[in-house]
Amino acid sequence: DTAVSQTPKYLVTQMGNDKSIKCEQNLGHDTMYWYKQDSKKFLKIMFSYNNKELIINETVPNRFSPKSPDKAHLNLHINSLELGDSAVYFCASSQDLAGVRTQYFGPGTRLLVL
Amino acid sequence: LAKTTQPISMDSYEGQEVNITCSHNNIATNDYITWYQQFPSQGPRFIIQGYKTKVTNEVASLFIPADRKSSTLSLPRVSLSDTAVYYCLVGVKGQNFVFGPGTRLSVLP
Repeated sequence: DTAVSQTPKYLVTQMGNDKSIKCEQNLGHDTMYWYKQDSKKFLKIMFSYNNKELIINETVPNRFSPKSPDKAHLNLHINSLELGDSAVYFCASSQDLAGVRTQYFGPGTRLLVL
Repeated sequence: LAKTTQPISMDSYEGQEVNITCSHNNIATNDYITWYQQFPSQGPRFIIQGYKTKVTNEVASLFIPADRKSSTLSLPRVSLSDTAVYYCLVGVKGQNFVFGPGTRLSVLP
């Protein structure tokens, strides 16, 4: 069983389009995250949600908006895509924020903006 | 969050022990040290976490000196499948969000 899953795995789109990436975790975790890994392979936290509440937003452009319909899902919506948005986006989850040992990462979504 | 410094890359041969050291000079009292492994085209995977002294699990050992300004991940008898990028993270337990460039380990036959 896949612990953290993401769809789609690959996403190729034109500049200016709006796209969404879905994430689901079946671990019963309370907290979910979105990371961006750029071409230089740096992983940067974008958002985290704990019990449907946004608790971290690391200077991410407001074109990016996380949506959490329930504890098991954290989707990422991106409006007006730009070339610089091309990257691999990873979803992750952890049991909670207090005393959590580890984050579980999804397989990643490779976004290419043309 | 404390900044970390690791070697950019390391080479090793199958069967050898590999030690990757991470420097974190401004680690705070409440910070934990966590190591992740990332294979190509996959998300990072938790390896080990510690606060002080030595921690060992079925995958690796983590050595942390008394001053906690550095830590060493030890992989015993590496195999080709251990070729990956290894990240050292420092932060409050459960909030290790700052991934540096990591150490790219290449295991050669």
